[in-house]
Amino acid sequence: GAGVSQSPSNKVTEKGKDVELRCDPISGHTALYWYRQSLGQGLEFLIYFQGNSAPDKSGLPSDRFSAERTGGSVSTLTIQRTQQEDSAVYLCASSLLTSGVGELFFGEGSRLTVL
Amino acid sequence: GQQLNQSPQSMFIQEGEDVSMNCTSSSIFNTWLWYKQEPGEGPVLLIALYKAGELTSNGRLTAQFGITRKDSFLNISASIPSDVGIYFCAGHRHYGGSQGNLIFGKGTKLSVKP
Repeated sequence: GAGVSQSPSNKVTEKGKDVELRCDPISGHTALYWYRQSLGQGLEFLIYFQGNSAPDKSGLPSDRFSAERTGGSVSTLTIQRTQQEDSAVYLCASSLLTSGVGELFFGEGSRLTVL
Repeated sequence: GQQLNQSPQSMFIQEGEDVSMNCTSSSIFNTWLWYKQEPGEGPVLLIALYKAGELTSNGRLTAQFGITRKDSFLNISASIPSDVGIYFCAGHRHYGGSQGNLIFGKGTKLSVKP
């Protein structure tokens, strides 16, 4: 597709369940970011992938959170044993590093609600 | 860790008024960027600034890269209702930083009264 695609757009789950959120970046973009945005708040950095380099996981809030990026393209963010405080919009962004640095293209986000 | 101080946190203005918001940091950045997020959407890039002192316009929007490389401002002239949203600044370093070398401010929420 033309833009960053995220799925599901909405996810309601029960506390304690695992969830997977998917991001399909713009084709050819080497950098991929995950952010979390709580209601009306700013962007909280979670994880950053760049090409084949080791990901920067410094923003993951706990070991219940993990992410992978297969084949340098699609990424999956996994949250295990979800808690109510995990409720937020999870935004994915991609960037072509050889273009203007920092010019991220964001998806529309996956809204997670943990009951 | 690195932080960007973005202000004001929120603004309520009358249609037609000019708007000004800014970001400051204790660290130097190589690039300053301004994004806008509308409800239910992801942020969209408005303006990117690559050189200290650079002043760039995009329609009614004007942004500047501070000469010290530690700050940037965004002005919106003659605001209209569709300017409503959250505006984020972001600073980028080419190397040596964390978070993919990109730091976001906490956002300025703009509300416009017709």
